[in-house]
Amino acid sequence: DARVTQTPRHKVTEMGQEVTMRCQPILGHNTVFWYRQTMMQGLELLAYFRNRAPLDDSGMPKDRFSAEMPDATLATLKIQPSEPRDSAVYFCASGLVLGKPQHFGDGTRLSIL
Amino acid sequence: GENVEQHPSTLSVQEGDSAVIKCTYSDSASNYFPWYKQELGKRPQLIIDIRSNVGEKKDQRIAVTLNKTAKHFSLHITETQPEDSAVYFCAAGAGGTYKYIFGTGTRLKVLA
Repeated sequence: DARVTQTPRHKVTEMGQEVTMRCQPILGHNTVFWYRQTMMQGLELLAYFRNRAPLDDSGMPKDRFSAEMPDATLATLKIQPSEPRDSAVYFCASGLVLGKPQHFGDGTRLSIL
Repeated sequence: GENVEQHPSTLSVQEGDSAVIKCTYSDSASNYFPWYKQELGKRPQLIIDIRSNVGEKKDQRIAVTLNKTAKHFSLHITETQPEDSAVYFCAAGAGGTYKYIFGTGTRLKVLA
């Protein structure tokens, strides 16, 4: 059963530190999404890529967040410097084409002290 | 801009009763409508989806209906069980953007 893999699953760090979250999409999926969820709230889209090219990062605070896809098997989301308000669960999802479902990873639970 | 409204935000039903969650979308180009279930501490998981050329789809106790004219779609769960307790998200996707617009979620509680 193919799954999206996210690392780390949990991260606790102090304010001001750099945080890097990684995502391995399902093999063959060419669209990758980053979402943020706070306290079981809605899913906030931060950025997404198609064929490794960024298509939309309008949901992402540009001054501290960055998202990249160095290759087809790895997507990264970085926060530098981190702030307490960034504490949330960050989900990565991958998909193939519209009209087919996105599949979510297990998320990275981030706590900024 | 694009928007998906979801109601109710919370829903409590007795075990065995039916539950209905409703969503309304704004983008007339939307043509794909998935529903996700998220249990506490877990990832959202697809439970059913429907495309714009279909008015209704059913999978065991779960069904989804779509009214394109009114731009709304609904999730129906029959014979609810305690394990149906979770947060349910609707979403709408449109060709050309590849992204979904998610509703704000419905917390369903099934009382034993």
